[in-house]
Amino acid sequence: DVKVTQSSRYLVKRTGEKVFLECVQDMDHENMFWYRQDPGLGLRLIYFSYDVKMKEKGDIPEGYSVSREKKERFSLILESASTNQTSMYLCASGSQGAGNTIYFGEGSWLTVV
Amino acid sequence: GESVGLHLPTLSVQEGDNSIINCAYSNSASDYFIWYKQESGKGPQFIIDIRSNMDKRQGQRVTVLLNKTVKHLSLQIAATQPGDSAVYFCAENSGGSNYKLTFGKGTLLTVNP
Repeated sequence: DVKVTQSSRYLVKRTGEKVFLECVQDMDHENMFWYRQDPGLGLRLIYFSYDVKMKEKGDIPEGYSVSREKKERFSLILESASTNQTSMYLCASGSQGAGNTIYFGEGSWLTVV
Repeated sequence: GESVGLHLPTLSVQEGDNSIINCAYSNSASDYFIWYKQESGKGPQFIIDIRSNMDKRQGQRVTVLLNKTVKHLSLQIAATQPGDSAVYFCAENSGGSNYKLTFGKGTLLTVNP
C-alpha cells in the first residue's frame, strides 16, 4: 500500500511564527504536492514538486514556500504564520505522467492564533 | 475557467440501499478521472479511477460510469454500509502531468442504519 506520512497531525502556532509541515512518501513517487482544504473551497494546490530540488507554484502559493531535498520528503514552510492560514493541510504524492492518481496523507490541522 | 462540480451536496440513504453520487465536468479535454472518499478528520482515500477511453469500471462494491457526451461522472456504491458514510469527491486530469488535477467540492453521504 502507498504510504504518505505527515508527521504532525495537530498544531497550534502563534501569529508570526515559522511553521514547518513535513511529509514523507515510501513509493518512490516523482511528484509530491501540498494542498490546503477549507470548508466550501475544496482542495486548493499550494505547491508541487516533480523532482528533487524542483518546485512549481500552485494556485495559492502566497505566504508559503517548500523544500524538497530528498525524493521521499517534501516540506511546506509558513515563513510567518497568519490566522488566515488556519486550515487542514494535505500532502500527496504520485507517479509522473498523466493518468496516474495521487495519494494523500492523513492531513495536518494547523491553527494559528 | 474549467471546473468540476457536483449535483448534490448531501445524500442520505438507508443501509443496504445503493448510492449514486454524481459529478459534472466541463473540460472536454479531461482524460482521467478519480473518485476519493474522505472520512471525517482524515485525508482523502483513493477509491477508483477511470480513463476517458472507458465508460464503465467496477471495483469492490463500487462502479464508476463516465458519460463523455454530457460530461458526467458517477460513483455507484452497492449495498451501502454505515462505514461508507463520508464525503466523496471527484477529480479530473485535464491532460499532462497529474499536477493538473481539478477537484470537486464533494458530496456528503450519510448512511442511516
